Amino acid sequence: KAGVTQTPRYLIKTRGQQVTLSCSPISGHRSVSWYQQTPGQGLQFLFEYFSETQRNKGNFPGRFSGRQFSNSRSEMNVSTLELGDSALYLCASSLRTGNDEQYFGPGTRLTVT
Amino acid sequence: AQSVTQLGSHVSVSEGALVLLRCNYSSSVPPYLFWYVQYPNQGLQLLLKYTTGATLVKGINGFEAEFKKSETSFHLTKPSAHMSDAAEYFCAVSENDYKLSFGAGTTVTVRA
Repeated sequence: KAGVTQTPRYLIKTRGQQVTLSCSPISGHRSVSWYQQTPGQGLQFLFEYFSETQRNKGNFPGRFSGRQFSNSRSEMNVSTLELGDSALYLCASSLRTGNDEQYFGPGTRLTVT
Repeated sequence: AQSVTQLGSHVSVSEGALVLLRCNYSSSVPPYLFWYVQYPNQGLQLLLKYTTGATLVKGINGFEAEFKKSETSFHLTKPSAHMSDAAEYFCAVSENDYKLSFGAGTTVTVRA
């Protein structure tokens, strides 16, 4: 079974621009979560989607948004990029419940200059 | 709200020696606990998880962890370290709220 895929793997953007990251979950998984990983803050939860509905959201500004499509694929968007948004963005998928193990993709490395 | 503390940001072990990574958690409900490993430039790979039942959990690559409710701990061990175990390890907790809360991570170095 194919794992979680994320595109693109690497991205360089300029401050003030916006960016969209994509995630395709494992086949059959309907929950998709997003995390931000930085050296200073570690792994932080952004949001989780199930059946196109956001079930939980982390403590991030409104510039960070996401959505999920009917085929469970998900996108996250960051508008008005700041230097501090430079990070590894990880997507994870799981079956359904709140305590299911999550399977992570390789991440998208975003660099904001 | 849940939180995770990993004691020791760096651990160095000799090849063949015991690996012990410490994790303590706080949770307002019975937690689900996880250990993940991250190799350079990769995502996180699940090593093992604790849900309910047996407190000693066996995972992949020879790792195991023991859930101790009285100590609010979930330490990860491997009897004999291999060079391929060099990576960063993360302990995480879930409270059935569709998110994982991670510890700060422990980087393991294996000396030949």
